[in-house]
Amino acid sequence: QSVLTQPPSASGTPGQRVTISCSGSSSNIGSDAVNWYQQLPGTAPKLLIYSNNQRSSGVPDRFSGSKSGTSASLAISGLQSEDEADYYCAAWDNSLNTWVFGGGTKLTVL
Amino acid sequence: QLQLQESGPGLVKPSETLSLTCTVSGGSISSSNYNWDWIRQPPGKSLEWIGNIYDIGRTHYDPSLKSRVTISVDTSKNQFSLKLRSVTAADTAVYYCARHGSGSGSFVRAFDIWGQGTMVTVSS
Repeated sequence: QSVLTQPPSASGTPGQRVTISCSGSSSNIGSDAVNWYQQLPGTAPKLLIYSNNQRSSGVPDRFSGSKSGTSASLAISGLQSEDEADYYCAAWDNSLNTWVFGGGTKLTVL
Repeated sequence: QLQLQESGPGLVKPSETLSLTCTVSGGSISSSNYNWDWIRQPPGKSLEWIGNIYDIGRTHYDPSLKSRVTISVDTSKNQFSLKLRSVTAADTAVYYCARHGSGSGSFVRAFDIWGQGTMVTVSS
């Protein structure tokens, strides 16, 4: 059971906008920045978004992040087939004193 | 361009010690602006932070693993290492080394560079 809660799956058709949510608590998302990672099949995770809404170098502006209270979201607009991957949110938890991750959301492009 | 590469045995027997090394190339491991982390991913599951080393020797471990983990650094080889003692089948995972910045100034406080990962299976 992951500390951060994400929907296990999401889907969309090419060109659509998809949003992935990440829910936490006051000890993690509520008090720290959220980062998002993309993991393509069989590869290592890649930093997508840091500090809630900052795109990592080379990440297309189709990807955006936001945070409100103890929840965060990753939005992908203009969905493309190459966006099919697992997406993870992460934050520092100052109660558990460790980095915590979401359970991951598998995005399918129909 | 900084790159990380994990190395070590792919099979470890139960109750023994898992030992992995991460070699850093294209940059120095001695920078005080970065932490060097180990993260693992059991098959079909999410990511789990194991711990990190920073400031050339200071460590921070996940509380649930703290009693079994040691992370060390060898600056002469530009490497850092993970030892996980008394392993069980629950420690079977892909192990990643990663870098994360201090968060001050332009240094991103996120895992911004990852190794390709190495699968470690615990089995007799």
